Amino acid sequence: DAKTTQPNSMESNEEEPVHLPCNHSTISGTDYIHWYRQLPSQGPEYVIHGLTSNVNNRMASLAIAEDRKSSTLILHRATLRDAAVYYCILRVTLSPWAGGTSYGKLTFGQGTILTVHP
Amino acid sequence: DTAVSQTPKYLVTQMGNDKSIKCEQNLGHDTMYWYKQDSKKFLKIMFSYNNKELIINETVPNRFSPKSPDKAHLNLHINSLELGDSAVYFCASSPHLDKRHTGELFFGEGSRLTVL
Repeated sequence: DAKTTQPNSMESNEEEPVHLPCNHSTISGTDYIHWYRQLPSQGPEYVIHGLTSNVNNRMASLAIAEDRKSSTLILHRATLRDAAVYYCILRVTLSPWAGGTSYGKLTFGQGTILTVHP
Repeated sequence: DTAVSQTPKYLVTQMGNDKSIKCEQNLGHDTMYWYKQDSKKFLKIMFSYNNKELIINETVPNRFSPKSPDKAHLNLHINSLELGDSAVYFCASSPHLDKRHTGELFFGEGSRLTVL
């Protein structure tokens, strides 16, 4: 499985933007870049995903490098509720688009612990 | 309504016992998963079922046996519990993967298993 590398921890102040980096130099052409976060004592929560183009949703933005070897999750205005472990994951697809079904699995790394200060 | 629900939320038991954790999803998804999060907080996939068929089995000991009676349920049965089985077990589900869906996972809140 292609692996990702993230900083162990980052800190931010409330209402400031946060840029969470992720390196995935061994990404393959059909791997989607997924971001999840895990708040304390909760299950992981989907944040955003993308393939090649930058993506925006109500939670965050995802900026993907042109060579796809890195990406950045952007929280535009951090709140205290954004304090969590953020996981950058490559979605491995098996038999993609080959006329049959494809099953992906998420392999979680250690993630980045984001601390948000009031 | 909770999308992915697991029971029990907490389970404390003795070594050697057999226990089960149940999972149900009301999202109409085809695929369900079990993940284990150990004390170091690493999340590892254990099993995945698609429409009641086992599709991922990640070198998990035979003591762990998943059972999917229908595509909305995936239960995890553990025989002869060991100390190292203590962890938080997360159930998840995702829609069928095709060109429209890249299959984001929806996780339950976890079941904390403590083996004494």
